[in-house]
Amino acid sequence: ETGVTQTPRHLVMGMTNKKSLKCEQHLGHNAMYWYKQSAKKPLELMFVYSLEERVENNSVPSRFSPECPNSSHLFLHLHTLQPEDSALYLCASSQDLPDTQYFGPGTRLTVL
Amino acid sequence: AQSVTQPDIHITVSEGASLELRCNYSYGATPYLFWYVQSPGQGLQLLLKYFSGDTLVQGIKGFEAEFKRSQSSFNLRKPSVHWSDAAEYFCAVGVSGGGADGLTFGKGTHLIIQP
Repeated sequence: ETGVTQTPRHLVMGMTNKKSLKCEQHLGHNAMYWYKQSAKKPLELMFVYSLEERVENNSVPSRFSPECPNSSHLFLHLHTLQPEDSALYLCASSQDLPDTQYFGPGTRLTVL
Repeated sequence: AQSVTQPDIHITVSEGASLELRCNYSYGATPYLFWYVQSPGQGLQLLLKYFSGDTLVQGIKGFEAEFKRSQSSFNLRKPSVHWSDAAEYFCAVGVSGGGADGLTFGKGTHLIIQP
């Protein structure tokens, strides 16, 4: 595997479910990011991690919980989501802050 | 806080014609500037970036962009588009420090290629 990978690519969940999105980067980068892409809205930065420490949390609801166990992996834990949380969730990584970011293919999330 | 404006939501261009996609940013200092392209169902692919130096930057797939400080612009150009260029194009601004180390994106421009 090369670049940035995300699993699953598609996820459908009910509002009471708990699920996790996974991101893995094979680029040796030090920083990782979660973005949300909704229809007709700009990409929104959610979280930034640098060297496994969270450096930014853009007022994201607590029903989204990130985890960065090491510099290659990033998770987004989801619980009690709302239908308006349905979106494409993109992970990205960069060598440092700030720097060029490389994106994964995204997870298409649908909340019923 | 920084912001990015892409004034054109949709642009239609004939195959073989030239292309210019507009991007304006708002930021007090010189930002880092990027253009990304997104095909349906895919993530974002970096086309080119500007950090410093020569204000005309070359990217992949025959794209180029010019940073104009006086106009706070970073427009993307291509002399001759191909049908495979049909996609969503995003301009982005990156800044350093102050708890804002991610990118701020414009809303995107949807490029349609006519045969």
